[in-house]
Amino acid sequence: DIVLTQSPDSLAVSLGERATINCKSSQYIFDVSKNENSLAWYQQKPGQPPKLLIYWASTRDFGVPDRFSGSGSGTDFTLTISSLQAEDVALYYCQQYNSMPRTFGQGTKVEIK
Amino acid sequence: EMQLVESGGGVAQPGGSLRLSCAASGFNFSPYGLNWVRQAPGRGLEWVSYISGGSGKIYYADSVKGRFTVSRDNAKNSLILQMNSLRVEDTAVYYCATSTGHLDHWGQGTLVTVSS
Repeated sequence: DIVLTQSPDSLAVSLGERATINCKSSQYIFDVSKNENSLAWYQQKPGQPPKLLIYWASTRDFGVPDRFSGSGSGTDFTLTISSLQAEDVALYYCQQYNSMPRTFGQGTKVEIK
Repeated sequence: EMQLVESGGGVAQPGGSLRLSCAASGFNFSPYGLNWVRQAPGRGLEWVSYISGGSGKIYYADSVKGRFTVSRDNAKNSLILQMNSLRVEDTAVYYCATSTGHLDHWGQGTLVTVSS
């Protein structure tokens, strides 16, 4: 199974500052047919289901603010929130969909400093 | 509007069974792959199962293989998870989610509690 390891487990960032979350995969998750990395990022607020933010490692889902961006290749991926807003306080998860079983990172909690 | 609504959660004893349903509306259901993902209280997300649009491809996490069965009824726009031989560690909120690889849309979840 592919193991995804997120870092850090939690971070506190001042409003308007940058937040960066890393996700390291135990294997390459490149989809040759799509020429893309099969990695997604989700945001989960308390009491709510997860919400898709980013797929194919860097494509923002419809309606996601452009302060959220995804990057990376190979086995190392990053979610960046360029200017943290109060409504971004949440848990963030990466997930690979290159192979079964689908796997998630353990999650990163983002808070306001 | 695309909507997924889970139901069927509740309390079961260890070794017991529960049947979860996910009712879909607002989109063309049959082509979509569907997943069950669970989240134990205070824990992270765990993928449970996947079924393709025509039910030709079915996958399970090792933790539920042989105990859970996923199925779908495209005529009724519904997804089912039959959970047998339940264990305490199956306690979680169970979400259904559509997928085109990544998990596009999620329901609100239904809570399953396994306790004696």
